[in-house]
Amino acid sequence: DTAVSQTPKYLVTQMGNDKSIKCEQNLGHDTMYWYKQDSKKFLKIMFSYNNKELIINETVPNRFSPKSPDKAHLNLHINSLELGDSAVYFCASSQGPRGGDNIQYFGAGTRLSVL
Amino acid sequence: GNSVTQMEGPVTLSEEAFLTINCTYTATGYPSLFWYVQYPGEGLQLLLKATKADDKGSNKGFEATYRKETTSFHLEKGSVQVSDSAVYFCALRKEDKIIFGKGTRLHILP
Repeated sequence: DTAVSQTPKYLVTQMGNDKSIKCEQNLGHDTMYWYKQDSKKFLKIMFSYNNKELIINETVPNRFSPKSPDKAHLNLHINSLELGDSAVYFCASSQGPRGGDNIQYFGAGTRLSVL
Repeated sequence: GNSVTQMEGPVTLSEEAFLTINCTYTATGYPSLFWYVQYPGEGLQLLLKATKADDKGSNKGFEATYRKETTSFHLEKGSVQVSDSAVYFCALRKEDKIIFGKGTRLHILP
């Protein structure tokens, strides 16, 4: 079983559309994250949720809205997609913001291409 | 603020060469330090970690030692293989956040 799974793996869409990426973890972790990785492989944290509560919200356009229906899921909804949103988006989870082994477990990524 | 600086790539080596990827950090106190590896088309996965000064993390022939005096966590491997070709990320964790370096792409030639 995949520990952190995100869907879809690839997403190609037109500018201006609204899309969602889903993430689920079966590790029993309390904390989940969304990262954006650009074409140069630079990894930037976007959001972090702990037990369904937002604990990290970096400077991200408000077109990006995370939703955590329960602590095993953290979905990312993006409104009015722009060309600059093209990137690979990674979901990750860890045991807790301060406790546990401090290791983050990553999904395989969602490659978003905005045309 | 907290930050991680690692050497820019790409780094290209021949198989069986010695590898060093430098990483230095800026942080107050004693953050946990990590190396993550990203193979082509995959997400990041933990390679090794160290949680206190002078700790040595090791895995798959890779090693890194937490040096508080030089604020460094350099990644080393004595003999690299083609299968080690990947992007390597140094990272630190302080309280709620993990901060990644910009990544170093490693190419190993047969």
